[in-house]
Amino acid sequence: EIVLTQSPATLSLSPGERATLSCRASQSVSSYLVWYQQKPGQAPRLLIYDASNRATGIPARFSGSKSGTDFTLTISSLEPEDFAVYYCQQRSNWPTFGGGTKVEIK
Amino acid sequence: QVHLVESGGGVVQPGRSLRLSCAASGFTFNTYAMHWVRQAPGKGLEWVAIVSYDGSNKYYADSVKGRFTISRDNAKNTLYLQMNSLRAEDTAVYYCAKDQYGSYSYIADYWGQGTLVTVSS
Repeated sequence: EIVLTQSPATLSLSPGERATLSCRASQSVSSYLVWYQQKPGQAPRLLIYDASNRATGIPARFSGSKSGTDFTLTISSLEPEDFAVYYCQQRSNWPTFGGGTKVEIK
Repeated sequence: QVHLVESGGGVVQPGRSLRLSCAASGFTFNTYAMHWVRQAPGKGLEWVAIVSYDGSNKYYADSVKGRFTISRDNAKNTLYLQMNSLRAEDTAVYYCAKDQYGSYSYIADYWGQGTLVTVSS
């Protein structure tokens, strides 16, 4: 099983700040890495697929990148609606999720 | 627009069975793979099962293999999850999700709101 480790567990930031979320895979997943956003009481929402492709309707302030087995989700300038939990997921083989990063208001 | 509505959750005793349903609308159901993903209370996400667009191929997480069965009725635009021999650790919100592509890409681009299954005596 491919293990995804997300860091930090919690990120405390203010609106307008830049958020940088990390996801490290225990082995190569190529570029088959997906990011989701989940707000309390809601289903996950697809943000980024295959490391850097924004899903339909996702604002340009969300971007994804890859370096080896390290993946990064960047939110260039936090909007009030961006405070949520973010999960990474690999689809290289049977899909697994990271433990999540909570982005909270500082 | 795409709409997925799960139903069938509830409280069930350990060892008993439950069947979840997911009614789909807003897209051509019979051309997309479909998934079940669960989330235990306060925990992360776990992929449970996937079924191909025509129902011919099905894959399961090891944690549910042999106990859960995913199926679909393309005439009714409905996805199912038959859960047998339920355990306390199966307690979770169960989401159905649509695959982004016709094949099983494991990219879930639309999700239902989920249905809560509680396994408790």
